[in-house]
Amino acid sequence: NAGVTQTPKFRVLKTGQSMTLLCAQDMNHEYMYWYRQDPGMGLRLIHYSVGEGTTAKGEVPDGYNVSRLKKQNFLLGLESAAPSQTSVYFCASSLPGGGLNHEQYFGPGTRLTVT
Amino acid sequence: AQSVTQLGSHVSVSEGALVLLRCNYSSSVPPYLFWYVQYPNQGLQLLLKYTTGATLVKGINGFEAEFKKSETSFHLTKPSAHMSDAAEYFCAVSYNDMRFGAGTRLTVKP
Repeated sequence: NAGVTQTPKFRVLKTGQSMTLLCAQDMNHEYMYWYRQDPGMGLRLIHYSVGEGTTAKGEVPDGYNVSRLKKQNFLLGLESAAPSQTSVYFCASSLPGGGLNHEQYFGPGTRLTVT
Repeated sequence: AQSVTQLGSHVSVSEGALVLLRCNYSSSVPPYLFWYVQYPNQGLQLLLKYTTGATLVKGINGFEAEFKKSETSFHLTKPSAHMSDAAEYFCAVSYNDMRFGAGTRLTVKP
């Protein structure tokens, strides 16, 4: 099993450009999450999904959109990138049934720089 | 709402010395508590977790943590540090959602 994979691994954007980050998991997990990691701030939840076709806002959702059209995929979109969105983005997945309480499995991360 | 405070953004120990990484949580309900480790340029992986039951939890790579409700703490320890333990460690608390601490970077000196 590949676990949780993320593409791309690195990306540089200019202010105002758009992009989509793809997360895929092969563990048949119901729950998926997008986090951003910034120095000294730990991980902050952007959006999450408790199942196919369902998404919800996390702690820092502004400037991002997500979609979960297939159970195994969770997409994070930036419509108009800003320098404040320079960060490392992590996707994670977990089991259902109170899944927010369960162990989360993380992808390797995407390092995004917005100039 | 729950929150996590990790005391010390950077801890440095000598190889063979005790590792102690501190975590205090705030939660109005019984929490689920986790420690994750992040090696350079990698995602987070679970070290150990506390849900219910025994308050001393053993994890991978010789780490353990003790849940102390009276102190609202979940400190991570390892009796003898190895060079390979150098990484960033995150404490997390969960009830309705997962909240991570800011992280502690562990350096191990030869």
